[in-house]
Amino acid sequence: DGGITQSPKYLFRKEGQNVTLSCEQNLNHDAMYWYRQDPGQGLRLIYYSQIVNDFQKGDIAEGYSVSREKKESFPLTVTSAQKNPTAFYLCASSMLTPGQGRREKLFFGSGTQLSVL
Amino acid sequence: GQQLNQSPQSMFIQEGEDVSMNCTSSSIFNTWLWYKQDPGEGPVLLIALYKAGELTSNGRLTAQFGITRKDSFLNISASIPSDVGIYFCAGNQAGTALIFGKGTTLSVSS
Repeated sequence: DGGITQSPKYLFRKEGQNVTLSCEQNLNHDAMYWYRQDPGQGLRLIYYSQIVNDFQKGDIAEGYSVSREKKESFPLTVTSAQKNPTAFYLCASSMLTPGQGRREKLFFGSGTQLSVL
Repeated sequence: GQQLNQSPQSMFIQEGEDVSMNCTSSSIFNTWLWYKQDPGEGPVLLIALYKAGELTSNGRLTAQFGITRKDSFLNISASIPSDVGIYFCAGNQAGTALIFGKGTTLSVSS
């Protein structure tokens, strides 16, 4: 099946530890995104990437890092510098269509719940 | 930065009732999207709008791209229990990433 796979579904982080959230897509989408969701809040953009080996900071990039070595994969590392990491993390992807402007439709994975031990 | 104001924040309705929610932005948008999120899952795209005045339906759902390009609304007709969830609007200007509203939590009692 085509789609976006996030793993693990649940993740626990110890104090001072870095953890990495996986996101893989087989939709052949150009762009990939990471959002953070807190209860009662909208989705806030952490990082996004439009092409391999290139990525841009979103609104809340501090304490996070990403890589885009392959088109299909966009892992997110939550570093020890992120002091309040407990949240639901959502990965998304979209196809950027030349000539039609930025007519993005984001498709989301099923999320990873990160909690602090 | 840009902001999206989504209202209402929550709604409690009876099965069979119609529902209306809306989003307004401080800037003109090129795209409006509406998503639904079930608990513990990722949002699922319901309707995408790309043109001012555009009115699009998806089953019992209807959404419109406002003429001013600064607002959009979503209507759900004859609600059923499985409509329960959080509904998000999202939009963007040309060349910018999507921004999301804070969501409308819908509860339906049978």
